[in-house]
Amino acid sequence: AQSVTQLGSHVSVSEGALVLLRCNYSSSVPPYLFWYVQYPNQGLQLLLKYTTGATLVKGINGFEAEFKKSETSFHLTKPSAHMSDAAEYFCAVSGGGATNKLIFGTGTLLAVQP
Amino acid sequence: DGGITQSPKYLFRKEGQNVTLSCEQNLNHDAMYWYRQDPGQGLRLIYYSQIVNDFQKGDIAEGYSVSREKKESFPLTVTSAQKNPTAFYLCASREGQGVGQPQHFGDGTRLSIL
Repeated sequence: AQSVTQLGSHVSVSEGALVLLRCNYSSSVPPYLFWYVQYPNQGLQLLLKYTTGATLVKGINGFEAEFKKSETSFHLTKPSAHMSDAAEYFCAVSGGGATNKLIFGTGTLLAVQP
Repeated sequence: DGGITQSPKYLFRKEGQNVTLSCEQNLNHDAMYWYRQDPGQGLRLIYYSQIVNDFQKGDIAEGYSVSREKKESFPLTVTSAQKNPTAFYLCASREGQGVGQPQHFGDGTRLSIL
């Protein structure tokens, strides 16, 4: 079984500051991990994914995430926040298998202050 | 442009009424999913379908029904048995057959009770 925990339902940063959104997962099989972003009243957009291989994954809009197996973490970072980054961010895990079902965290709402 | 189209964007249901949410994709994806999103709860899986004429219940299927008569279409009916239908509903499809493939989302339908 898989599960995802996102620490901090609300995170606020200043424009230009580092963004760090935390995600820890639990999986009985090698996980596939994803970060999605959601703007108000819209669907989810894929930011990046980890499947196998390199543990540092680069995504769109300057975001990246590092898979750390020993810490069961997949934290999302961006060196310098922009006002347009204000949105809700979801971490998700899949154990693969026949259905490729995704298990989502409860989300982190990122606010960017001018 | 390929994508997932959900309609309508906003929907209102009267007591005792069934309503159907539309989801159409032109991405040629085999697998499709329906999620329900409530504030602070992330996304919960209602139903999913891996091929035409086949679908399975997700974690919260009670009060919902689906059909998959065409590859492109996966409509969701919210029945009168669903006592708390007010939520944001998201449809997704998954690229490829391999494990760890990401899901892509439509822009959602917001359902409210009159």
